[in-house]
Amino acid sequence: AAGVIQSPRHLIKEKRETATLKCYPIPRHDTVYWYQQGPGQDPQFLISFYEKMQSDKGSIPDRFSAQQFSDYHSELNMSSLELGDSALYFCASSSQGLYGYTFGSGTRLTVV
Amino acid sequence: KNEVEQSPQNLTAQEGEFITINCSYSVGISALHWLQQHPGGGIVSLFMLSSGKKKHGRLIATINIQEKHSSLHITASHPRDSAVYICAVRWPLQGGSEKLVFGKGTKLTVNP
Repeated sequence: AAGVIQSPRHLIKEKRETATLKCYPIPRHDTVYWYQQGPGQDPQFLISFYEKMQSDKGSIPDRFSAQQFSDYHSELNMSSLELGDSALYFCASSSQGLYGYTFGSGTRLTVV
Repeated sequence: KNEVEQSPQNLTAQEGEFITINCSYSVGISALHWLQQHPGGGIVSLFMLSSGKKKHGRLIATINIQEKHSSLHITASHPRDSAVYICAVRWPLQGGSEKLVFGKGTKLTVNP
C-alpha cells in the first residue's frame, strides 16, 4: 500500500541557505500536517493544511512557509536557515472525518 | 505543562518481560495514537484508539475515555522492541479541524 512519501530523506545545508521539503500524502487524504523534531525532543507541530487551505498553525517560524498544492502534496519552504533548524521534519496525512493518520519517514535536515 | 503525560520516561527490561507504558491526557479527545520511533528513524503508527482495546501480535493497547488514560503493553519483549514509544492525542479544534499533540515519549531498551 502507498505510504506518505517525503523527499529528500536527508539534506545538508549551510547557514542562511534555503531548503524545500516535500510531502506526498496517502491518495485520497486531504489533510497534511508538518512536525519538527529536534534531537532528543518530542515532535512539535508546525502547520497543517486541509483541502489546500491552511487549517492550523503551530510553532512555525516566520522564516518558514508552506503550502498544499492541487494534487494535495505539500511543500515546506525554509529560508535563512539557522543551526537550530537541524531536526527531523516529518509530515502526516489524514482524511477529515476518518481517524487514521499515516506518517512519513521524515526528512533529516542538518544545517552546518 | 505538557497536556499529554507519559510514564515512565525511560524503561529498561530483560528479554521476555511484560512491558507497560502509560499515557494520560487532560482534555477530551477524538482519538489516541501509539507510535513507535527507532533511533534516527521515522515514526510508525502502531495503534489508533477511540475506545476499548486493540491487539496486534505482541502489542496490546487499551484506552479508558472516562479516566483519560491509555496503556500500551508489550508481551514477551524482545531487543528489537527497543525504541521510543510515543502517545499522541487528536484534539478537535473549532471549525472542524484538529491537531495532534504528542507526549514526550518513553524510551524502551530491551536487553538480551
